Amino acid sequence: DARVTQTPRHKVTEMGQEVTMRCQPILGHNTVFWYRQTMMQGLELLAYFRNRAPLDDSGMPKDRFSAEMPDATLATLKIQPSEPRDSAVYFCASGNSYQETQYFGPGTRLLVL
Amino acid sequence: AQSVTQPDIHITVSEGASLELRCNYSYGATPYLFWYVQSPGQGLQLLLKYFSGDTLVQGIKGFEAEFKRSQSSFNLRKPSVHWSDAAEYFCAPRSNDYKLSFGAGTTVTVRA
Repeated sequence: DARVTQTPRHKVTEMGQEVTMRCQPILGHNTVFWYRQTMMQGLELLAYFRNRAPLDDSGMPKDRFSAEMPDATLATLKIQPSEPRDSAVYFCASGNSYQETQYFGPGTRLLVL
Repeated sequence: AQSVTQPDIHITVSEGASLELRCNYSYGATPYLFWYVQSPGQGLQLLLKYFSGDTLVQGIKGFEAEFKRSQSSFNLRKPSVHWSDAAEYFCAPRSNDYKLSFGAGTTVTVRA
């Protein structure tokens, strides 16, 4: 049963520290999405990639967030420097543009103190 | 502007009773439509999806949804809920550029 994996599952850090979250999409999927979930804003799309190329990162704070896909099996979301308002659950999802469905990972729960 | 509305923030239902969750969308054309479920502390799991064709779609866990173009709605139903259906449910239309827009979600509580 193929699944999207995310690491770490939980992260507690102090304000100002760098945070890197990783995602392994389902093998063969060519689209990868990063979402953020908070109580106040709900689920927000931060960025997405197709065939490793960034297509849209308009939802991402550019000054501190960056997203990359070094290869087809790894997507990263980095926050530098982190702030308490970045505390949220970050989800990665992958899909195959031919199948149209996004499959979600279990999320990384981030707490910035 | 594209938008999706889930009017019910919280629904409480007795075990064995029927359940209906509402979803309305506002898009220029009929989008692809999805329902996801999120159990506490978990990721999102796809329940069902509508792309075209039969407007009544069946999903996992005994859920179904009906697409009504005239009402711009895609309501989710289950004839008899189980305690394990307690979760948060999200309706999500998808636009042509593959981006999902999530509703605010409906939390379902199941009482014994």
